[in-house]
Amino acid sequence: ETGVTQTPRHLVMGMTNKKSLKCEQHLGHNAMYWYKQSAKKPLELMFVYNFKEQTENNSVPSRFSPECPNSSHLFLHLHTLQPEDSALYLCASSQDRGTSSYNEQFFGPGTRLTVL
Amino acid sequence: GQNIDQPTEMTATEGAIVQINCTYQTSGFNGLFWYQQHAGEAPTFLSYNVLDGLEEKGRFSSFLSRSKGYSYLLLKELQMKDSASYLCAVADSNYQLIWGAGTKLIIKP
Repeated sequence: ETGVTQTPRHLVMGMTNKKSLKCEQHLGHNAMYWYKQSAKKPLELMFVYNFKEQTENNSVPSRFSPECPNSSHLFLHLHTLQPEDSALYLCASSQDRGTSSYNEQFFGPGTRLTVL
Repeated sequence: GQNIDQPTEMTATEGAIVQINCTYQTSGFNGLFWYQQHAGEAPTFLSYNVLDGLEEKGRFSSFLSRSKGYSYLLLKELQMKDSASYLCAVADSNYQLIWGAGTKLIIKP
């Protein structure tokens, strides 16, 4: 049990659907992250929120829309996705996103997304 | 550009020792992390190195040489449950983690 939960664990959607991924952390952290993990590729950082403010958006297509209503919850809203967006989407949290050199990230189990 | 290199896959025998290497070229360095990820599960933290040398934690050890841009993870007395992917990540000058693609470790009886 890592203290970071994600729902749903698996999601199959068509290209015209709209769905949302949810992440919740119970660790009292202030920074939350969305990553995309594709087979045999490095983790791709998508978005970072620090104290509920979005601090990074790594050139992610607008069909992915993050939302962070508070420090414990993070959403990723999906619409008009493409088959190449099929991947494992991981949420992580850490104490903060700032200037600490030791900033261990705690990961959720991920949502396995398949876009048909 | 920033780059982390690690072998794609390694195979070892139960009870043996295996060393997983990681080399990096990043803009700045603020520490190197190793994570373990079992299939279908979350990555979990194994170790953190920011100074040169060896950090030992039970059966697992991690080594860092900043001058060589090199780290390794050493796993001793391998157990079947050690079959997993091992991810190397470096914190760059902005404290952003740059990730390797991971090394899939297969343990055979």
